[in-house]
Formats: sequence, structure tokens, C-alpha cells
Amino acid sequence: DQQVKQNSPSLSVQEGRISILNCDYTNSMFDYFLWYKKYPAEGPTFLISISSIKDKNEDGRFTVFLNKSAKHLSLHIVPSQPGDSAVYFCAASDGQNFVFGPGTRLSVLP
Amino acid sequence: DTGVSQDPRHKITKRGQNVTFRCDPISEHNRLYWYRQTLGQGPEFLTYFQNEAQLEKSRLLSDRFSAERPKGSFSTLEIQRTEQGDSAMYLCASSFRGGGREQFFGPGTRLTVL
Repeated sequence: DQQVKQNSPSLSVQEGRISILNCDYTNSMFDYFLWYKKYPAEGPTFLISISSIKDKNEDGRFTVFLNKSAKHLSLHIVPSQPGDSAVYFCAASDGQNFVFGPGTRLSVLP
Repeated sequence: DTGVSQDPRHKITKRGQNVTFRCDPISEHNRLYWYRQTLGQGPEFLTYFQNEAQLEKSRLLSDRFSAERPKGSFSTLEIQRTEQGDSAMYLCASSFRGGGREQFFGPGTRLTVL
């Protein structure tokens, strides 16, 4: 039973355009959500997070949107750069546990 | 560099052998997590410590797995009688209780069981 889903295994975007990565969750007890980026042979690196009391959090080129009623969040990267090419994991926390999605591989084409 | 470190980075072992991995968290972090990651999947939670106390263990953590964090500093994860299904990347992460919930991950230990 996957509590956190990332239904797009991969995404290709042209450099300079917007990348939108999506994540859905099922457990209504999750109250904090995080996005991580992972390069090959490295551990995941924290990108941005959002509490369930907010619907938007922005940090530079990265914005996370949360729709609690739909149990859906998305990560927007604008403008996309070739260095953003990596696997992106969505994670959800209920305060104790962290559940990760299977990841979306983003390729930013020059 | 004061990031999370893990040792070894790679381990190849034969089925039935015991292996032990080490994780050194960021020094001021009091929470330490172990995850397992297989190809095409996200990290799966195994266990976590707050200081030296092991507070949560996943159902994934069979009796062959044991983790310790003596003195609340570094942690070890031991797998006894390894099986081929144990082949995975084992990730360690740390965080500071009282800060945000973001975790800082180490580079992982890749285990291959032959």
C-alpha cells in the first residue's frame, strides 16, 4: 500500500521552461511534506518543505504547492536548468515517520 | 566537512555472512534514521533514534537486523545471516529535534549479497 505516490517515473523539460513534479498521498495524518533531489552515487539532498497549515512555499526557483483536500502536492522549478537533472523524491511525515515516494527522474534538455 | 558520513561505501558479501555499517551524523543532530533503498524505489524507513534511544522500528526490520547508537553519537546497523534480498542501498540521515523536519542524508552504503 503506497502511501505516497509519484505517478510519473520520468519527465523531460527544455532548459528555461517550467518543470512540474507531482505527488499524491493517502494518509490524512501527514502534516509535513518535503522534496528531495538525488544525484547518482549520492544521498538525497533536501530541497524544500511545506507544513500542512500552508498551501505554498517558495525558495528561489523552487515552489511547492499543497492541496490538502486533494491530498496532492507539486514542485515547480522555474526556470529549469540542466543541473536540475536528477531524481526527485516527495516525502511525507506525520511527526514521527517519513514515507517517501518512488521518485521522478527529471531531465532538463539544453 | 561536517555532513553525514557512512562507512563503508560499498560492501560485497556472501549469503549467510554478517555485515555491519556505520553512520556518523552531523554532530549537533540528536535524531538519526536508517533507510533502505532498492532500484526504482524511494528510501524505506527502517528505524530511528533520538539520542541513544531507539524509538521506532519498521516491520521491514526483521530479527536479523539490529541497530545501535551508543552514547547518542554514531550508529551501527548490523545484518546477520545476509540474504540476497538484503542487497540494497542503506542510507543514514540525521536531523535536529526542535529544528525543521528536514533530514540530511549520507552518501549511503551499497550492499551486494552474492
